[in-house]
Amino acid sequence: AQSVSQHNHHVILSEAASLELGCNYSYGGTVNLFWYVQYPGQHLQLLLKYFSGDPLVKGIKGFEAEFIKSKFSFNLRKPSVQWSDTAEYFCAVNAQSYNTDKLIFGTGTRLQVFP
Amino acid sequence: GAVVSQHPSRVICKSGTSVKIECRSLDFQATTMFWYRQFPKKSLMLMATSNEGSKATYEQGVEKDKFLINHASLTLSTLTVTSAHPEDSSFYICSAREVTGGYEQYFGPGTRLTVT
Repeated sequence: AQSVSQHNHHVILSEAASLELGCNYSYGGTVNLFWYVQYPGQHLQLLLKYFSGDPLVKGIKGFEAEFIKSKFSFNLRKPSVQWSDTAEYFCAVNAQSYNTDKLIFGTGTRLQVFP
Repeated sequence: GAVVSQHPSRVICKSGTSVKIECRSLDFQATTMFWYRQFPKKSLMLMATSNEGSKATYEQGVEKDKFLINHASLTLSTLTVTSAHPEDSSFYICSAREVTGGYEQYFGPGTRLTVT
């Protein structure tokens, strides 16, 4: 069965610090990968996605993620975080060969950024 | 674009009653909608996949007779929690995938259900 792991449950940073959130999945076939963000009191929004091509994907608000197939990873990065990045971040995976639209979500990482 | 709404945003009901939650895609057509449940400090758990004009596909462990899903049009799916119990209290979130889109899903704001 597919699964998604986010090992960082709670990350606390100061503004301007660099961010890297880990995401690993367990599926050997072709995957579509996503990072969603949930700001306090708001709904889930798509940050970025990877379907194919360049494994380094750039998203909104200065975020990027790198797909490393050999490591089954899709880590999220941002060089310099802002207080407004405080939110819950979810990694999600869709396994193409299962012929399904289903997304499997990780447990989420809560990011707190202090001024 | 790609806005999904849910109604109501919050609902409190008594044990044994039924509650209907609506999910609408406001500016696009969605052949597929998804219903999730989010527990406190936990991830989203997929409950079912709702396909327009056909029966929903439920995930293992989700009671289809308790969580009735109807997807009557390309812009509306409903989730009815029947004979609700306090353990059904949760945050229910829907998402929708565009007819012509890729695999990304657009999420609604969620519905907080409290069963007393």
